[in-house]
Amino acid sequence: DADVTQTPRNRITKTGKRIMLECSQTKGHDRMYWYRQDPGLGLRLIYYSFDVKDINKGEISDGYSVSRQAQAKFSLSLESAIPNQTALYFCATSDLNSGANVLTFGAGSRLTVL
Amino acid sequence: AQSVTQLGSHVSVSEGALVLLRCNYSSSVPPYLFWYVQYPNQGLQLLLKYTTGATLVKGINGFEAEFKKSETSFHLTKPSAHMSDAAEYFCAVSDGRSSASKIIFGSGTRLSIRP
Repeated sequence: DADVTQTPRNRITKTGKRIMLECSQTKGHDRMYWYRQDPGLGLRLIYYSFDVKDINKGEISDGYSVSRQAQAKFSLSLESAIPNQTALYFCATSDLNSGANVLTFGAGSRLTVL
Repeated sequence: AQSVTQLGSHVSVSEGALVLLRCNYSSSVPPYLFWYVQYPNQGLQLLLKYTTGATLVKGINGFEAEFKKSETSFHLTKPSAHMSDAAEYFCAVSDGRSSASKIIFGSGTRLSIRP
């Protein structure tokens, strides 16, 4: 099994629908992140969490919300999806004690909003 | 604020040729620097990182990068390209050295290998 698992891997939805992307990890890492990847823009940080009680906005949090249900689970929600949220979404984790904050990524969730 | 600029969104080299992917950074503090690689339909994985000490850093698959503070650069090289190196490469910088630091990514460079 993968260290960082994202579900679903692919999702097509319609404008206005609520969507949840889920992430779970077996690394035992305390930090979890949601990034969005768009062609030519690299990865941009949506939200991050340094522990269960600590949630922080990243550079592009508008239109998104998150929930850290447990140390191992971090979900990303789109309350009312819009077409410009079509992108590849990555969950990542890191270890507070790793020093350089090396990220371990999931395989990605491709979301298409029609 | 920290930032990363990758020069060239697409680089194409012949198999066996030198690979050079360019990365310049902006940081107000001594940076942690990273290169990540993304193979098709996969997540990103760490190629190499610079934290402190030796400025020439060796990574997986024969890649290496050199931290040049005077040039604010962290270019990625490999002496001889292989077809399996075709992927997208991302340079990244940590926005600090505290426990609260985050990773900022460049826009990526797609590497193609010609037979």
